[in-house]
Amino acid sequence: AQKVTQAQTEISVVEKEDVTLDCVYETRDTTYYLFWYKQPPSGELVFLIRRNSFDEQNEISGRYSWNFQKSTSSFNFTITASQVVDSAVYFCALSEAVTDKLIFGTGTRLQVFP
Amino acid sequence: DTGVSQDPRHKITKRGQNVTFRCDPISEHNRLYWYRQTLGQGPEFLTYFQNEAQLEKSRLLSDRFSAERPKGSFSTLEIQRTEQGDSAMYLCASSVEDQPQHFGDGTRLSIL
Repeated sequence: AQKVTQAQTEISVVEKEDVTLDCVYETRDTTYYLFWYKQPPSGELVFLIRRNSFDEQNEISGRYSWNFQKSTSSFNFTITASQVVDSAVYFCALSEAVTDKLIFGTGTRLQVFP
Repeated sequence: DTGVSQDPRHKITKRGQNVTFRCDPISEHNRLYWYRQTLGQGPEFLTYFQNEAQLEKSRLLSDRFSAERPKGSFSTLEIQRTEQGDSAMYLCASSVEDQPQHFGDGTRLSIL
């Protein structure tokens, strides 16, 4: 069965600190996608990144970076120099290649204090 | 591109009543998904349409739930004889093949 685990329920940091959000997944598929979504207090899920199972290259986008390691079934997300606007719940998700339905983790609530 | 639109944003109803939610996907998106999110949890998949065809339904979608996408554009999700456990945020997402899903703001349902 497919499963996504986000063990960190809540993280609090002070502005400008770096923070890493952990994500561990389980799947028997050889072809799959991994995602991160951000859910600010307004409620809308905002797409951040998608990686396919064949691409383990790490990715950096501004202050955001993602580390995908198939050997440990992990897809971790790091925010560098965090800002108050980064405060949100962050969800890691997994999808099959065929239906694209998303399996979400329980989310990590990040609070960045000024 | 105006994004995925959901209506209403909030719905309060008494137990036992029927409710219907609407989702307007991003234009040209042929795939449409419904998810349910309860407090402190991640969204859970309910059902998926490709054009007007409903291709997959979760076991979470009991016989009180029905979803339609009659012309392959907007979709409706109806819950009959609502129960306390139906209180949740109902999220709609749309996509085209091989592209990530984009979500609407959701409809928050509260059952009194």
